[in-house]
Amino acid sequence: QLQLQESGPGLVKPSETLSLTCTVSGGSISSSSYYWGWIRQPPGKGLEWIGSIYYSGSTYYNPSLKSRVTISVDTSKNQFSLKLSSVTAADTAVYYCARHWYVGEDNWFDPWGQGTLVTVSS
Amino acid sequence: QSALTQPASVSGSPGQSITISCTGTSSDVGSYNLVSWYQQHPGKAPKLMIYEGSKRPSGVSNRFSGSKSGNTASLTISGLQAEDEADYYCCSYAGSSTPVVFGGGTKLTVL
Repeated sequence: QLQLQESGPGLVKPSETLSLTCTVSGGSISSSSYYWGWIRQPPGKGLEWIGSIYYSGSTYYNPSLKSRVTISVDTSKNQFSLKLSSVTAADTAVYYCARHWYVGEDNWFDPWGQGTLVTVSS
Repeated sequence: QSALTQPASVSGSPGQSITISCTGTSSDVGSYNLVSWYQQHPGKAPKLMIYEGSKRPSGVSNRFSGSKSGNTASLTISGLQAEDEADYYCCSYAGSSTPVVFGGGTKLTVL
């Protein structure tokens, strides 16, 4: 059974870079047709897609975050990572990683990691 | 790209049916019957309930169904149960520059 687990600091200072890693177990991150995505959810608010990456390194980013986001993949470790620079309090959220089926115009996320809360505060 | 529009809340009694709408534009929901729906219980990760507009993943109850008319997709839950009380989100492709857009979410209350 495929499982995803987020890891990284729970507290980041304003203007610094948020860094998270998602470890995939029970399957290969190099599976064809699947991207691997990051989604966040500010406290009490809705879901926001951040971006997704294919095992080859091909990426798609949310245009609203693109200037600050970098997603990378390490197939040898079965992991993919998120870096979000110049964070502010508005970036405080639960960050989820998920397997992202993305073929043509068809896309959906399943399964999801349990999520990790990242707070931006000095 | 704006989020898809969902009602903030819906409610129903056990055994009843409810429908949650997800309204987009001709550039997203209206162009593709590929909306996905997610269920999220408090403090938990979202769970895929419907994909490609109307398909159910293995293990999802057939009480959940998806449909689309024009620029609006809908999630219908029949035979409402207490365990269905949760937040529900729709998601659609919105173009090559924004392949993913979520709805604002709908809180379902089972009375």
